[in-house]
Amino acid sequence: EVQLVESGGGLVQPGGSLRLSCAASGFTFSGYWMNWVRQAPGKGLEWVANIKQDGSDKHYVDSVEGRFTISRDNAKNSLYLQMNSLTAEDTAIYYCARGNPYHSDYWGQGTLVTVSS
Amino acid sequence: DIQMTQSPSTLSASVGDRVTITCRASQSISRWLAWYQQKPGKAPKLLIHTASSLESGVPSRFSGSASGTEFTLTISSLQPDDFATYYCQRYNHYPLTFGGGTKVEI
Repeated sequence: EVQLVESGGGLVQPGGSLRLSCAASGFTFSGYWMNWVRQAPGKGLEWVANIKQDGSDKHYVDSVEGRFTISRDNAKNSLYLQMNSLTAEDTAIYYCARGNPYHSDYWGQGTLVTVSS
Repeated sequence: DIQMTQSPSTLSASVGDRVTITCRASQSISRWLAWYQQKPGKAPKLLIHTASSLESGVPSRFSGSASGTEFTLTISSLQPDDFATYYCQRYNHYPLTFGGGTKVEI
């Protein structure tokens, strides 16, 4: 059974940093693109970033380019999102999702990031 | 960026109704479109990819179609479990944009 479990969310002050993790199991993690998708409270879905199987190719939505970094550790079956210079507009549930290769066929339950003073 | 316009934003329907949701792309995206269902407090679930390919395990009452830059998700006979919010997503190139969502309610 495919499982994706996000962690690392929480309350952070504006300008602060946070690192999200996603633990994957039930499939060959190194064989898939991986995505981060977020959802602000009461709003729609926004694709944030994705990363190729070997980490050699990464893409970001413009609003996080230069502030967020997606990475992965295939030995640990883990996906990460380093988020810096956070603003209130980054407040959202962050979902980890498996890419197949670009649409997302499995999703985690999400981790909430709240940016507030 | 290619924009995705999803309509309607809200849809009132009854059990047994045939429901149609539309996503229109601002330019050609070939058939690189997926549909997702999301229930309150839950993660999205993939229903359809490549415009009309039904994901494994998804009931056959769900179907997708494409005509040019217009894409349609149809629920042939709405069931109680189908009351949810539906999103389209294009994935022909970056950024991988979602539509604004359609809430299907009673």
